[in-house]
Amino acid sequence: EPEVTQTPSHQVTQMGQEVILRCVPISNHLYFYWYRQILGQKVEFLVSFYNNEISEKSEIFDDQFSVERPDGSNFTLKIRSTKLEDSAMYFCARKTERRRYTFGSGTRLTVV
Amino acid sequence: QQQVKQSPQSLIVQKGGISIINCAYENTAFDYFPWYQQFPGKGPALLIAIRPDVSEKKEGRFTISFNKSAKQFSLHIMDSQPGDSATYFCAASMEGGKLIFGQGTELSVKP
Repeated sequence: EPEVTQTPSHQVTQMGQEVILRCVPISNHLYFYWYRQILGQKVEFLVSFYNNEISEKSEIFDDQFSVERPDGSNFTLKIRSTKLEDSAMYFCARKTERRRYTFGSGTRLTVV
Repeated sequence: QQQVKQSPQSLIVQKGGISIINCAYENTAFDYFPWYQQFPGKGPALLIAIRPDVSEKKEGRFTISFNKSAKQFSLHIMDSQPGDSATYFCAASMEGGKLIFGQGTELSVKP
């Protein structure tokens, strides 16, 4: 399966700052997802993005979060004003027609 | 209803032994049940998946057993190896829906 590339691999930010996490899914698939994993905990759904629109979002995905596909290939997750509790691994994923999800290696976000 | 419950939280197995991880779900609309393997610092990687029209699926040393009436499914790792040491997540989804993960099981295989 083609990989999903995420950048940066690790980002440290001050509380209250904006961060943008990037994902490059190497394919023409339409379904993309963002998940997050707080250290030692389960993988939690944030948002799904289909055909360049949000199709579903979780309670975690509040007004501080947004997703975009600005240039038709890169897929970004923006956190407007980071909080300490936003510290986590953030994973981008794509889904194939057979419901196989491929996850990126993640971005470790540390809010200090 | 949307939860997937996984047990045990951690598991220690001797090399060559059988590792068994269990999951249970409530939502009968779920129709796709994958297992993911995650190594430290990496994203979850699909290991094996099953749909509810079969009771068992085997791929190499990995087997999923599925009990539709009990709403339970399990992962069996035969002849467990130290390289299998990782965190394993069960998950479930329905058509058009998101993937919902269990809490994870940290497996340690001792040489």
